[in-house]
Amino acid sequence: NAGVMQNPRHLVRRRGQEARLRCSPMKGHSHVYWYRQLPEEGLKFMVYLQKENIIDESGMPKERFSAEFPKEGPSILRIQQVVRGDSAAYFCASSPLTSGGSSGELFFGEGSRLTVL
Amino acid sequence: AQSVTQLDSHVSVSEGTPVLLRCNYSSSYSPSLFWYVQHPNKGLQLLLKYTSAATLVKGINGFEAEFKKSETSFHLTKPSAHMSDAAEYFCVVSEDSNDYKLSFGAGTTVTVRA
Repeated sequence: NAGVMQNPRHLVRRRGQEARLRCSPMKGHSHVYWYRQLPEEGLKFMVYLQKENIIDESGMPKERFSAEFPKEGPSILRIQQVVRGDSAAYFCASSPLTSGGSSGELFFGEGSRLTVL
Repeated sequence: AQSVTQLDSHVSVSEGTPVLLRCNYSSSYSPSLFWYVQHPNKGLQLLLKYTSAATLVKGINGFEAEFKKSETSFHLTKPSAHMSDAAEYFCVVSEDSNDYKLSFGAGTTVTVRA
C-alpha cells in the first residue's frame, strides 16, 4: 500500500518562474493538506482540500499561491512568480477523515524541496 | 494561538542509553499533542498522540510521552536508544478542534552513537 507520494522531490526554479508540486494521497484518502517548512522552522499549515473543494486555506499566502485537488489526478500546489523566500520544503499529508471522528493522524509524504535561485 | 517549543535542536546519545526530547507548548485550551518522527528520505510518521485521556502516552518503537499541564510540557522519552532511532523528531500541537491544523516545533535531530 503506497504512502503519500509527492513529486518532484527536488525542484530548482529561478526568480519569476512557476513551481508546481504534486501530491497523490494514500489509497482511500480523500482529504489532502499542504504544509510548508521554511529553513530552521517547523512545518506550517497552508491549506486543506477535499476533491474539488478548498476547505480551509487560512495558511496560504494571499498572492501567488494556489492549490487544487481535482476529481481525477493528484493535488497540485502552484506557486507563481517564485521569489527566494519561497525556498522551503513543502509537505503533503492525507487522511481518510477530518476532525471530530479522526484518529488525528495525518499521513505525510516525504516532501518536495523547492530552491529558488 | 497555539505554539510549540522544542528545547533542544540536537540530541546525541549512546546506543542503549535513555533518550529525552523536551517540548513545551502554549495553548489557550486543552490541546491535542503529538510527536512525529522523520527518518532520512522518509515521510513524517506519527509516534504517539495525547488527547486528554491518560497523561502518559505510549507510542510505537518503545517511545512514550508524559503530558504535564502544570508545566505545559510534553516530553518524549525512550529508556534505551537504538541505532534506528536516529532521526528528526517533531513535537506538534493542534491549533484548534480541527486536528488537521497542526503547529510544529522546529524539530530535534537525534544521533545515536555506537
